[in-house]
Amino acid sequence: EPEVTQTPSHQVTQMGQEVILRCVPISNHLYFYWYRQILGQKVEFLVSFYNNEISEKSEIFDDQFSVERPDGSNFTLKIRSTKLEDSAMYFCASSELTWDVGELFFGEGSRLTVL
Amino acid sequence: GENVEQHPSTLSVQEGDSAVIKCTYSDSASNYFPWYKQELGKRPQLIIDIRSNVGEKKDQRIAVTLNKTAKHFSLHITETQPEDSAVYFCAASSGNTGKLIFGQGTTLQVKP
Repeated sequence: EPEVTQTPSHQVTQMGQEVILRCVPISNHLYFYWYRQILGQKVEFLVSFYNNEISEKSEIFDDQFSVERPDGSNFTLKIRSTKLEDSAMYFCASSELTWDVGELFFGEGSRLTVL
Repeated sequence: GENVEQHPSTLSVQEGDSAVIKCTYSDSASNYFPWYKQELGKRPQLIIDIRSNVGEKKDQRIAVTLNKTAKHFSLHITETQPEDSAVYFCAASSGNTGKLIFGQGTTLQVKP
Protein backbone atom coordinates (compact mmCIF):
# COMPACT_ATOMS: atom_id res chain seq x y z
CA GLU A 1 0.00 0.00 0.00
CA PRO A 2 1.49 3.36 -0.98
CA GLU A 3 2.20 5.73 1.87
CA VAL A 4 3.50 9.18 2.66
CA THR A 5 7.02 9.10 4.04
CA GLN A 6 8.68 11.76 6.18
CA THR A 7 12.22 12.45 7.29
CA PRO A 8 13.63 12.92 9.81
CA SER A 9 11.46 11.11 12.33
CA HIS A 10 12.92 13.26 15.10
CA GLN A 11 15.03 16.39 14.98
CA VAL A 12 16.47 18.30 17.91
CA THR A 13 17.62 21.84 17.20
CA GLN A 14 18.73 24.93 19.04
CA MET A 15 16.47 27.94 19.17
CA GLY A 16 17.20 30.27 16.26
CA GLN A 17 18.36 27.52 13.91
CA GLU A 18 16.71 26.62 10.63
CA VAL A 19 15.18 23.20 10.04
CA ILE A 20 13.92 21.49 6.94
CA LEU A 21 11.40 18.69 7.19
CA ARG A 22 11.03 16.47 4.19
CA CYS A 23 8.11 14.52 2.82
CA VAL A 24 7.54 12.23 -0.11
CA PRO A 25 3.83 12.23 -0.92
CA ILE A 26 2.06 9.34 -2.61
CA SER A 27 3.14 9.40 -6.23
CA ASN A 28 -0.17 10.07 -8.02
CA HIS A 29 -1.40 12.61 -5.50
CA LEU A 30 -1.66 16.25 -6.48
CA TYR A 31 -2.45 18.02 -3.22
CA PHE A 32 -0.01 18.32 -0.38
CA TYR A 33 -0.37 19.57 3.17
CA TRP A 34 1.52 20.24 6.35
CA TYR A 35 -0.16 19.96 9.73
CA ARG A 36 1.32 20.21 13.17
CA GLN A 37 0.36 18.75 16.52
CA ILE A 38 1.72 20.15 19.75
CA LEU A 39 2.01 17.39 22.32
CA GLY A 40 -1.39 16.47 23.73
CA GLN A 41 -3.26 18.90 21.52
CA LYS A 42 -5.26 18.74 18.33
CA VAL A 43 -3.93 18.55 14.82
CA GLU A 44 -3.66 22.04 13.27
CA PHE A 45 -3.62 22.94 9.58
CA LEU A 46 -0.57 24.86 8.41
CA VAL A 47 -0.61 24.97 4.62
CA SER A 48 -1.96 23.35 1.48
CA PHE A 49 -0.04 23.21 -1.79
CA TYR A 50 -1.19 22.49 -5.32
CA ASN A 51 0.29 23.02 -8.74
CA ASN A 52 3.54 24.31 -7.26
CA GLU A 53 1.98 27.03 -5.22
CA ILE A 54 0.36 27.56 -1.85
CA SER A 55 -3.42 27.27 -2.14
CA GLU A 56 -4.22 28.11 1.46
CA LYS A 57 -2.36 28.81 4.67
CA SER A 58 -3.33 29.30 8.29
CA GLU A 59 -2.45 32.12 10.65
CA ILE A 60 0.24 29.88 12.12
CA PHE A 61 2.02 29.78 8.77
CA ASP A 62 3.74 33.15 8.96
CA ASP A 63 6.94 34.40 7.32
CA GLN A 64 8.96 32.00 9.45
CA PHE A 65 7.61 29.10 7.41
CA SER A 66 7.98 28.20 3.77
CA VAL A 67 7.19 25.18 1.61
CA GLU A 68 8.73 23.96 -1.57
CA ARG A 69 8.52 21.12 -4.05
CA PRO A 70 12.10 21.15 -5.28
CA ASP A 71 11.70 18.13 -7.54
CA GLY A 72 9.01 15.76 -8.68
CA SER A 73 8.83 13.81 -5.46
CA ASN A 74 9.85 15.80 -2.36
CA PHE A 75 7.74 18.33 -0.50
CA THR A 76 9.57 20.29 2.16
CA LEU A 77 8.68 22.51 5.09
CA LYS A 78 11.33 25.00 6.14
CA ILE A 79 11.19 26.71 9.51
CA ARG A 80 13.55 29.65 9.85
CA SER A 81 14.84 30.86 13.19
CA THR A 82 13.05 28.22 15.25
CA LYS A 83 11.38 29.15 18.53
CA LEU A 84 10.63 27.01 21.57
CA GLU A 85 6.95 27.01 20.67
CA ASP A 86 7.71 25.40 17.31
CA SER A 87 8.30 22.14 19.17
CA ALA A 88 5.65 19.79 17.84
CA MET A 89 4.98 16.81 15.62
CA TYR A 90 4.75 17.90 12.01
CA PHE A 91 2.64 15.75 9.72
CA CYS A 92 2.78 15.83 5.96
CA ALA A 93 -0.30 14.65 4.09
CA SER A 94 -1.36 14.22 0.51
CA SER A 95 -4.57 13.60 -1.34
CA GLU A 96 -5.61 12.77 -4.83
CA LEU A 97 -8.22 15.44 -5.35
CA THR A 98 -10.15 18.17 -3.62
CA TRP A 99 -12.95 19.22 -5.95
CA ASP A 100 -14.73 16.31 -4.35
CA VAL A 101 -12.72 16.15 -1.17
CA GLY A 102 -10.64 13.03 -1.06
CA GLU A 103 -9.05 11.16 1.81
CA LEU A 104 -5.95 12.70 3.29
CA PHE A 105 -3.12 10.27 3.80
CA PHE A 106 -0.80 11.27 6.63
CA GLY A 107 2.85 10.48 7.03
CA GLU A 108 4.28 9.14 10.28
CA GLY A 109 5.33 12.61 11.33
CA SER A 110 8.54 14.44 12.15
CA ARG A 111 8.98 15.34 15.78
CA LEU A 112 10.73 18.68 16.19
CA THR A 113 12.24 19.57 19.53
CA VAL A 114 13.56 23.10 19.91
CA LEU A 115 15.89 23.66 22.87
CA GLY B 1 -13.21 31.47 11.58
CA GLU B 2 -13.94 27.82 11.03
CA ASN B 3 -14.17 25.82 14.22
CA VAL B 4 -14.90 22.24 15.21
CA GLU B 5 -15.85 21.43 18.77
CA GLN B 6 -15.57 17.85 20.04
CA HIS B 7 -16.97 16.22 23.17
CA PRO B 8 -16.22 14.54 25.45
CA SER B 9 -12.49 15.07 25.88
CA THR B 10 -12.18 11.69 27.63
CA LEU B 11 -14.42 8.66 27.55
CA SER B 12 -14.07 5.45 29.50
CA VAL B 13 -16.24 2.43 28.72
CA GLN B 14 -16.31 -1.25 29.56
CA GLU B 15 -15.42 -3.70 26.86
CA GLY B 16 -18.53 -4.55 24.87
CA ASP B 17 -20.27 -1.26 25.58
CA SER B 18 -20.92 1.41 22.97
CA ALA B 19 -19.06 4.72 22.72
CA VAL B 20 -20.36 7.93 21.20
CA ILE B 21 -18.30 10.99 20.36
CA LYS B 22 -19.93 14.20 19.16
CA CYS B 23 -18.70 17.12 17.10
CA THR B 24 -20.18 20.40 15.97
CA TYR B 25 -18.87 22.62 13.20
CA SER B 26 -19.30 26.29 12.46
CA ASP B 27 -18.89 26.56 8.69
CA SER B 28 -22.15 25.72 6.95
CA ALA B 29 -20.17 25.18 3.72
CA SER B 30 -18.39 22.16 5.23
CA ASN B 31 -19.08 19.12 3.10
CA TYR B 32 -16.72 16.38 4.23
CA PHE B 33 -16.41 14.95 7.73
CA PRO B 34 -13.72 12.35 8.45
CA TRP B 35 -12.92 10.65 11.72
CA TYR B 36 -9.35 9.74 12.60
CA LYS B 37 -7.93 7.36 15.17
CA GLN B 38 -4.53 8.21 16.59
CA GLU B 39 -2.54 5.83 18.73
CA LEU B 40 0.21 7.19 20.93
CA GLY B 41 3.07 8.57 18.87
CA LYS B 42 1.50 7.49 15.60
CA ARG B 43 -0.07 9.24 12.63
CA PRO B 44 -3.81 9.92 12.45
CA GLN B 45 -5.52 7.16 10.51
CA LEU B 46 -8.85 7.52 8.80
CA ILE B 47 -11.46 5.17 10.19
CA ILE B 48 -14.63 6.46 8.54
CA ASP B 49 -15.84 9.53 6.71
CA ILE B 50 -19.13 11.00 5.58
CA ARG B 51 -20.06 13.56 2.98
CA SER B 52 -22.75 16.20 3.28
CA ASN B 53 -25.15 14.43 0.91
CA VAL B 54 -25.41 11.44 3.27
CA GLY B 55 -27.01 11.27 6.71
CA GLU B 56 -25.47 8.07 8.01
CA LYS B 57 -22.70 5.66 7.14
CA LYS B 58 -21.74 2.39 8.74
CA ASP B 59 -18.67 0.16 8.54
CA GLN B 60 -18.89 -2.92 10.74
CA ARG B 61 -18.76 -1.69 14.36
CA ILE B 62 -18.30 1.95 13.42
CA ALA B 63 -20.98 4.37 12.26
CA VAL B 64 -21.13 8.09 11.69
CA THR B 65 -24.25 10.28 11.58
CA LEU B 66 -24.52 13.79 10.20
CA ASN B 67 -27.14 16.43 10.93
CA LYS B 68 -26.50 19.30 8.52
CA THR B 69 -29.26 21.46 9.92
CA ALA B 70 -27.82 21.34 13.40
CA LYS B 71 -24.24 21.24 12.09
CA HIS B 72 -23.20 18.27 14.13
CA PHE B 73 -21.92 14.78 13.47
CA SER B 74 -21.23 11.83 15.70
CA LEU B 75 -19.10 8.71 15.80
CA HIS B 76 -20.63 5.55 17.20
CA ILE B 77 -18.53 2.53 18.11
CA THR B 78 -20.42 -0.59 19.15
CA GLU B 79 -19.09 -3.65 20.94
CA THR B 80 -15.95 -1.81 21.97
CA GLN B 81 -12.71 -3.73 22.36
CA PRO B 82 -9.51 -2.83 24.26
CA GLU B 83 -7.76 -2.20 20.94
CA ASP B 84 -10.24 0.60 20.26
CA SER B 85 -8.46 2.57 22.98
CA ALA B 86 -6.89 5.63 21.32
CA VAL B 87 -7.47 9.32 20.67
CA TYR B 88 -10.22 9.99 18.16
CA PHE B 89 -10.39 13.21 16.17
CA CYS B 90 -13.27 14.50 14.12
CA ALA B 91 -12.60 16.96 11.32
CA ALA B 92 -14.49 19.05 8.80
CA SER B 93 -13.52 20.29 5.38
CA SER B 94 -14.93 22.95 3.14
CA GLY B 95 -13.78 24.90 0.13
CA ASN B 96 -11.58 23.56 -2.59
CA THR B 97 -8.21 23.22 -0.88
CA GLY B 98 -8.93 20.07 1.14
CA LYS B 99 -8.01 21.78 4.39
CA LEU B 100 -9.22 19.88 7.45
CA ILE B 101 -10.19 21.59 10.68
CA PHE B 102 -9.82 19.15 13.55
CA GLY B 103 -11.67 18.86 16.81
CA GLN B 104 -9.78 18.75 20.08
CA GLY B 105 -9.79 14.97 20.29
CA THR B 106 -11.40 12.37 22.55
CA THR B 107 -9.30 9.93 24.52
CA LEU B 108 -11.22 6.68 24.53
CA GLN B 109 -10.31 4.05 27.09
CA VAL B 110 -11.90 0.62 26.79
CA LYS B 111 -11.51 -1.37 29.99
CA PRO B 112 -11.31 -5.14 29.61
